[in-house]
Amino acid sequence: QKEVEQDPGPLSVPEGAIVSLNCTYSNSAFQYFMWYRQYSRKGPELLMYTYSSGNKEDGRFTAQVDKSSKYISLFIRDSQPSDSATYLCAMSGGGFKTIFGAGTRLFVKA
Amino acid sequence: NAGVTQTPKFQVLKTGQSMTLQCAQDMNHEYMSWYRQDPGMGLRLIHYSVGAGITDQGEVPNGYNVSRSTTEDFPLRLLSAAPSQTSVYFCASTPDRLNSPLHFGNGTRLTVT
Repeated sequence: QKEVEQDPGPLSVPEGAIVSLNCTYSNSAFQYFMWYRQYSRKGPELLMYTYSSGNKEDGRFTAQVDKSSKYISLFIRDSQPSDSATYLCAMSGGGFKTIFGAGTRLFVKA
Repeated sequence: NAGVTQTPKFQVLKTGQSMTLQCAQDMNHEYMSWYRQDPGMGLRLIHYSVGAGITDQGEVPNGYNVSRSTTEDFPLRLLSAAPSQTSVYFCASTPDRLNSPLHFGNGTRLTVT
């Protein structure tokens, strides 16, 4: 079993829809949770960074962490075609090693 | 700032050939790392370095060597390329602070035939 599970999609939604992306994990030592966005043929770029449980909002993006369920989510409101990308969840328990999910491909249709 | 720069962008090797993937960062980050990205597998850590002269193995180190002689550069060497090493390779860096997010380069696409 992988330490981090993420549905690879692809997920296709119309412009303006609310998108929900999710990851589950098995290691209870994870405390730092991240979402990276990766456009085609580019490197991942950090989108959201949260510590422990709770919500964090940044513009149209909201990250949620539920440590009791070992479940994290990223919500995108009013999705735009420019949001079409692969979204990678990532987590760390401290130290330099970060574990990544396999990524979910998102397509937002105009 | 250029951030993290990787060269080359694309490379095709024959089985058994060797090559070096270059990575340079201009942010004075202490920590640098190499990942490979394969479909359905996500990013897997190959090697990492916490500073000049210090390197350690990640999750999938076999077949790869690294060295870190300067803060800026962290090359990845393939000693004898195998088809299983066909992948996209990403270099990343982060400041000398635990759990800081990673800054990635744009990757090197390697095909081994």
